[in-house]
Amino acid sequence: QKEVEQDPGPLSVPEGAIVSLNCTYSNSAFQYFMWYRQYSRKGPELLMYTYSSGNKEDGRFTAQVDKSSKYISLFIRDSQPSDSATYLCAMVFSGSARQLTFGSGTQLTVLP
Amino acid sequence: SAVISQKPSRDICQRGTSLTIQCQVDSQVTMMFWYRQQPGQSLTLIATANQGSEATYESGFVIDKFPISRPNLTFSTLTVSNMSPEDSSIYLCSVVRAGSREKLFFGSGTQLSVL
Repeated sequence: QKEVEQDPGPLSVPEGAIVSLNCTYSNSAFQYFMWYRQYSRKGPELLMYTYSSGNKEDGRFTAQVDKSSKYISLFIRDSQPSDSATYLCAMVFSGSARQLTFGSGTQLTVLP
Repeated sequence: SAVISQKPSRDICQRGTSLTIQCQVDSQVTMMFWYRQQPGQSLTLIATANQGSEATYESGFVIDKFPISRPNLTFSTLTVSNMSPEDSSIYLCSVVRAGSREKLFFGSGTQLSVL
């Protein structure tokens, strides 16, 4: 079993839809959770960062962490074609980015 | 976030040759890493680039195949040696800035195709 499992997709939604991207993990020692967005032929871009259970909102994006269920989600409201990208979840114990563990990514297409 | 310049952005190489990828950061960073992203797969850490000393390689990666240099705090190179088609991947430089131990910032990547 992988430490981090991510819904593989691909996911295709109409413009304006609410998108939910999800990851589960097995190691309860993970404390920091991130979402990266990767456009085609580009490097991953840090989108959201959180270290506690609950919700964190940034514009149209909401990151949700449920440590008791070992489950994290990224919600995108009012999705736009420019949101079309691959989204990667990532998580780490405290202290070292070297130990960052990534999900396999979910490819999202938002249709105009 | 740090500005991370990586080059080349892509290359097509012949089997048996080597390619050196450069990573330049606009400011001093505490840590630099090299990742590989194979088609349809997640990111795999190759090694930590240590300033002024040998890189620290992850399981499955060796110095002879992926020699790494980091002569100063803002520059590093990764060489993919004696390439085979299995080395076709995206190679990514990433950094951690001072005061941000968990947040990784990535370069734009090098798309490598080996024929």
